[in-house]
Amino acid sequence: AQSVAQPEDQVNVAEGNPLTVKCTYSVSGNPYLFWYVQYPNRGLQFLLKYITGDNLVKGSYGFEAEFNKSQTSFHLKKPSALVSDSALYFCAVRDRANTGFQKLVFGTGTRLLVSP
Amino acid sequence: DADVTQTPRNRITKTGKRIMLECSQTKGHDRMYWYRQDPGLGLRLIYYSFDVKDINKGEISDGYSVSRQAQAKFSLSLESAIPNQTALYFCATSDSTGVNSPLHFGNGTRLTVT
Repeated sequence: AQSVAQPEDQVNVAEGNPLTVKCTYSVSGNPYLFWYVQYPNRGLQFLLKYITGDNLVKGSYGFEAEFNKSQTSFHLKKPSALVSDSALYFCAVRDRANTGFQKLVFGTGTRLLVSP
Repeated sequence: DADVTQTPRNRITKTGKRIMLECSQTKGHDRMYWYRQDPGLGLRLIYYSFDVKDINKGEISDGYSVSRQAQAKFSLSLESAIPNQTALYFCATSDSTGVNSPLHFGNGTRLTVT
C-alpha cells in the first residue's frame, strides 16, 4: 500500500530565506505526487503535481517541488519565503501501478511558519 | 474554494444523535468526496461518488452514510454520532478528465460530538 511521510511537524523560516518542506513516499509502482496547502479555516488548495517528465515541477505562488526517484522524495521548495506562506502543507501520493480508482493518500501535514 | 460550499461550518451534537453534513458545488464536477481531518493523521477518505448513481466506500466508512441527491449535492450522515467522530470534515470535488485532476475542497465543517 502507498504511504507518505512528512518528517517535520513544523518548519520555521525567516521571510526572504529559502524554504523546504520535506516529503518521502512509498509505492509499489511509480508515483503520482501532489502538494496541497491549507490556510486557517479553509479547505486544502492544490499547489502542484508530478505525473511524469521533468523532475522539477513548478506550481502556484512561486512554489516548486523536485521529484527524486532514488530517494523516493518530493520536497516542496520556494526560493524566498513570504509571511503569507505560513500555512499547513500536505504531501499526497497515488500509486501508478494500480488499476481502477486509487485513493489519494495524504501525509500528516507540516506547518510552515514564516517570521517577519 | 467558494465553489464548494459546506454547511454547517460548525456543529456541536450529543452522542447518539443523527446529524447530516451538506455539500453543494457549482463547479460542474462529476466526482465528489468526503474526507475527515484529524490532527496528526492527515486526511482520510470516507466516501466518494463518481456520479449520481455511483457511491463507494473509502477507507473509514464505518459509522457514516452518504447520499448523492444530484450532481451538485453530496451529503454525509452520521446515524448515531459518537465522540471519536469529532473531527474536521471536508467535501471535495474533481472533474473526470483524469485520475489526477486536482481536488477542490470546501472550507470544512468542524463537528464536535459530546
